[in-house]
Amino acid sequence: GAVVSQHPSWVICKSGTSVKIECRSLDFQATTMFWYRQFPKQSLMLMATSNEGSKATYEQGVEKDKFLINHASLTLSTLTVTSAHPEDSSFYICSASLLAGGPRETQYFGPGTRLLVL
Amino acid sequence: AQSVTQLDSQVPVFEEAPVELRCNYSSSVSVYLFWYVQYPNQGLQLLLKYLSGSTLVKGINGFEAEFNKSQTSFHLRKPSVHISDTAEYFCAVTANTGFQKLVFGTGTRLLVSP
Repeated sequence: GAVVSQHPSWVICKSGTSVKIECRSLDFQATTMFWYRQFPKQSLMLMATSNEGSKATYEQGVEKDKFLINHASLTLSTLTVTSAHPEDSSFYICSASLLAGGPRETQYFGPGTRLLVL
Repeated sequence: AQSVTQLDSQVPVFEEAPVELRCNYSSSVSVYLFWYVQYPNQGLQLLLKYLSGSTLVKGINGFEAEFNKSQTSFHLRKPSVHISDTAEYFCAVTANTGFQKLVFGTGTRLLVSP
């Protein structure tokens, strides 16, 4: 149980284009979803937290106009990288939790999406 | 703010040998601690977590970890590893109040050889 999927698993795009990444909770309803970014040999860095039906909360230093997050339903959140540039190339990982994202909860992670911007 | 240090980027070990993966954290407030495992091409999976109570926490797949507040450590151990334990292991910390904001270490790759 508690499976999270991401689509696509990898994407290559041209600089200046926008890319949408989907995160789905397959067998549970996710009140809270998280988006992380991971550079090679570095740790996962939280980008934003989103609750279904409300605006995402972005971490300091993350451009909300650059990384658009939509949590339209309890099973789907999307991350759109707008006007992507080579420096946006990274591994993007989402996770979901059943409840409101409290500190004791377990996050269930997706397998990640590798983005390469040429 | 919290931070996590995993000093060992890679730990090679032979099958059936014991292993310890080290994790140290820093925080000005009380924390909860987590260990996640990532197998190739899969998402991170929770191994175990320390919230309160006994400082020795047992998780899945025979792993355990001990919370040591004085040394700000949360090392992961397994008495006898299997080939299938080859994976990337991440230690993470969050403050114990408010919303969960996991801060991850850089990960330790466990390589189990026959």
